[in-house]
Amino acid sequence: NAGVTQTPKFHILKIGQSMTLQCTQDMNHNYMYWYRQDPGMGLKLIYYSVGAGITDKGEVPNGYNVSRSTTEDFPLRLELAAPSQTSVYFCASSYLGSRNEQFFGPGTRLTVL
Amino acid sequence: AQTVTQSQPEMSVQEAETVTLSCTYDTSESDYYLFWYKQPPSRQMILVIRQEAYKQQNATENRFSVNFQKAAKSFSLKISDSQLGDAAMYFCAYSSDSNYQLIWGAGTKLIIKP
Repeated sequence: NAGVTQTPKFHILKIGQSMTLQCTQDMNHNYMYWYRQDPGMGLKLIYYSVGAGITDKGEVPNGYNVSRSTTEDFPLRLELAAPSQTSVYFCASSYLGSRNEQFFGPGTRLTVL
Repeated sequence: AQTVTQSQPEMSVQEAETVTLSCTYDTSESDYYLFWYKQPPSRQMILVIRQEAYKQQNATENRFSVNFQKAAKSFSLKISDSQLGDAAMYFCAYSSDSNYQLIWGAGTKLIIKP
């Protein structure tokens, strides 16, 4: 089991560019999440999904979009990147919601210049 | 809205000693879940321990145990026999069935002195 995988691990983006952060899990979890972690802070939820075809906004969704066409994949799209989106992004998955352990990917460190 | 507060930005402990990390939370719900996650320098987030609010018994996992005080809304983590590999950021988190979010504290950096 690979668990939760994320690509890329690092990326530098120019202001105004767009990109997609990839996330895949092989645990057949129905719940998936995208978080961002700013320096010295805890994680903030961007978007989450309770199953294929179902997504919803978290605490900080502005500037991002997601889709969930399969159980395994949950990509995060950044449109018109801004310096405020410089952060570390984590994808996570869990079985039956946030009452249970969330399994995290290794994170993507994104810098917008 | 629920909030989680970790009042200790940094703690240090001598190897083999015991350390306690503090966490308080605010909620009006009676049924919820509390977590401690560890984030070592590798950045990988790992679950340390989980507590269900309806259970009065404090959760334990080997050298890790919690002191869950529901009335005081306090959820501290005790690490016994500290080891060098325990050095990490520790995050307290809250969730409930009424929403799908984990609410995170700001974290405590734990330093282990050899």
